[in-house]
Formats: sequence, structure tokens, C-alpha cells
Amino acid sequence: NAGVTQTPKFQVLKTGQSMTLQCAQDMNHNSMYWYRQDPGMGLRLIYYSASEGTTDKGEVPNGYNVSRLNKREFSLRLESAAPSQTSVYFCASTRWGGGGGEQYFGPGTRLTVT
Amino acid sequence: EDQVTQSPEALRLQEGESSSLNCSYTVSGLRGLFWYRQDPGKGPEFLFTLYSAGEEKEKERLKATLTKKESFLHITAPKPEDSATYLCAVLYSSASKIIFGSGTRLSIRP
Repeated sequence: NAGVTQTPKFQVLKTGQSMTLQCAQDMNHNSMYWYRQDPGMGLRLIYYSASEGTTDKGEVPNGYNVSRLNKREFSLRLESAAPSQTSVYFCASTRWGGGGGEQYFGPGTRLTVT
Repeated sequence: EDQVTQSPEALRLQEGESSSLNCSYTVSGLRGLFWYRQDPGKGPEFLFTLYSAGEEKEKERLKATLTKKESFLHITAPKPEDSATYLCAVLYSSASKIIFGSGTRLSIRP
């Protein structure tokens, strides 16, 4: 039981390059989330998927796209990277139902755009 | 505006000195409030979920409480290994939106 896994762990991109961050969970959770974390700004929601087949914008969606490939996988794509997208990206999955809920995070991807 | 505010931003305590961290929120349709611990270079680690005013949960030296406007994370007789950033977040509305506070950096001196 690996929980939430993310790849890659580190990445350096040049401005204008594209890349996809991968996230997978093995807890059979319905909801998955992508956040970015910047110093002094806490975690900000980029996109989320409340269930397989649905995605919605969060607080800071500009410059990103997502795909909920199946119940396990939720990917985040940067089509044309910009220095402002230098950040640590976290994926999370949430179990919500039956009167309760818990959210678990992956280890993060540290992205630098030069 | 939907908002989550944590205070203080940083807190330094002596080992054994109990204290509380605050998380206040202004959202409509609260479904749950989460507390996390985050160590440097790692993802947030889930601690508690609270659902309704008056609810309390405990884990080791930590106790979380919830009112209609805020939540407190009480730390009793902390140890140096409790040093971390503590984050709170609220899940609200029927669309599963989550907002995080900016965190409290807790440092416990031996």
C-alpha cells in the first residue's frame, strides 16, 4: 500500500517547455487534488477531481491542465512553462463519505523553471 | 470572501510548555476542517478531521477542537520532535473545494 505517489521528484525546465506531473493513489479514493506550495503562501489549489471523469478549477488554474485518467491517476500538465510556475507541487487524494473524510498527500515534485 | 487564517505565523516554545494554535475560517457550507503536520521537504501528514462545532479529537500530545468560526490545535507538554509547520484546511460547498491556511511554524526547544 503505497498511498499517494508522484513522479518526478525533481524537474528543471526552460521557459516555454512542457511537461506532465504524474500522480497515482492506491486507496480507492474518489477525489484527487493538485496544489502548489510557495514560500509564505501556503498550499493553493490548482485543480481538483471530485470523481472519476470530472475535473474543476481551483484557486490558481491558469497555465495548467489536468486529466483524470482513471480512478487511480490524476495528471497535471504545464503546456508552456513560465518562471512563475517554479514551485513545489503536491497531489492529494481524499476519502469523503460515510460521515467522514481524510486527505492524504504525496511527497511532492520540486519544479524549477529557468 | 472564503478565507482561512492561521495564527500565529510562528511559535517558539520550551519543551513541556503547552500552547494552542488557531485556525479561523469564513466559508459557506463547511463540510469538514482538516489539520496537518508538515516537516521540511515533505508532503503534509494528515492529523485530524473535524466536522461540527463542539467536536474534539486527540492524538498523543495534540488535541483539536472546532467552533462555528475557528479551530484550535492544543499541544500539551510538547517535545522537540513536535517541531513542524501545522496546517489547517477547510472542505466546503457541495463541489469539494478546499482552502488551506498559510500555516504555523512551531519550534520546540529542548
